[in-house]
Order: sequence, then structure tokens, then C-alpha cells
Amino acid sequence: EPEVTQTPSHQVTQMGQEVILRCVPISNHLYFYWYRQILGQKVEFLVSFYNNEISEKSEIFDDQFSVERPDGSNFTLKIRSTKLEDSAMYFCASRERTGANYGYTFGSGTRLTVV
Amino acid sequence: KQEVTQIPAALSVPEGENLVLNCSFTDSAIYNLQWFRQDPGKGLTSLLLIQSSQREQTSGRLNASLDKSSGRSTLYIAASQPGDSATYLCAVGPGGNTPLVFGKGTRLSVIA
Repeated sequence: EPEVTQTPSHQVTQMGQEVILRCVPISNHLYFYWYRQILGQKVEFLVSFYNNEISEKSEIFDDQFSVERPDGSNFTLKIRSTKLEDSAMYFCASRERTGANYGYTFGSGTRLTVV
Repeated sequence: KQEVTQIPAALSVPEGENLVLNCSFTDSAIYNLQWFRQDPGKGLTSLLLIQSSQREQTSGRLNASLDKSSGRSTLYIAASQPGDSATYLCAVGPGGNTPLVFGKGTRLSVIA
């Protein structure tokens, strides 16, 4: 079964450093997403991406965040200057289409620890 | 704003029991609802997707129902096994490319 692949599985970074989280969505999927989950809390939406541009973003997704699809396969989330409160599990997801019979496929996540 | 609530927050059952996990949502104008499983420190595995026009979906020992008008969904697990121990998340799809809204999950422990 096709998978969404995320790398790295775990990243530790110092406060103020830039991090890039990487994702390879399922090849025939058109819609891409980043979500995050702070320990013990709900999974929260960050951003959606379609046709090489951001479709929607949440209040969390401020100027410190950016997304990119640099080639036909990768989808990245960059945090420019990490803060302690950015520590969370970050999930990439993709979806083939937006119809009601199309679900989301999530990756296994990147655990980001900011120290 | 859509809010999703899952009750109970945690549940412990002996192996072999049938059990029901509950999910409620405040806005009935949804496209679909998806149930996920999350193992500790791991990703989200999709279990079942129910479209708004459907009443239920089944996969093996799992059955999910949807009552859109009352804003409720249930996930029924038959003959529970220790391997079913995980957190179960309910997520509502409002429609189009509007993002999923998640509940906080129910943490299930099945005791051998």
C-alpha cells in the first residue's frame, strides 16, 4: 500500500536554529498538508498546499514557517528560527482529491525537539 | 468553528470484550469523517472513512457509524485483542480542501 514518507524521524535542534522537515507524499496525490501534535494535545492543522501554492494556513503558521515543493516528489516544512514551543510531532499528509470519498494518508511523523 | 470531542478519554477492557468509542462534533455540515489509530510516538493509521451520505463502514472487526444530524460517530471494536491497544482519533472533514478537525482521542488498553 502506498505510503507517505517523512524524514528524519527525530530531530533535535537548538533554539533559534532553522530546521527543514521532509516529506514524500503518495505519487498520484494532489493535496498536501502539514499538521502537528504537541505532546498530550490534539493534532492541529498547520497548512495545506495545492498546485504549488498554499491553499489555507492556520494561525500557528506564521512568518517563521514556510512550505515548498522543490521538485515533483518532495514537500518540505521549514521553521526559520525554532522556539521551545515548536517542540512537537509534525505530520505530513496527502490526499488524492478533495471529494468525500477521498481520505487522508498520514506519514509516520517527525518528532522535533527544540532545546 | 467545528469542535470534535471524544469520550471516554481512556478506556481499559479485558481481552475479548466488544467496545464502543464515541465521537461528537458541533457542526453537522461535514463531508466525511475518518477514524485513525495512533500508537505511542508513532504516526496516524487510517482505519475507516465514512462519507456524509453513508451510515456506516466496516473493516474486519471494526465498524464505524455516522449520524450526521445528531453530530455523532461511533467506532465499534469486536472481540478486542491486546494488539488493539492504541489511541483512536476521530477527525471530521468539513468539505472541499478545508482541513480535518481532530478530536483528542481515546486511549484504549486491552488487557490480556
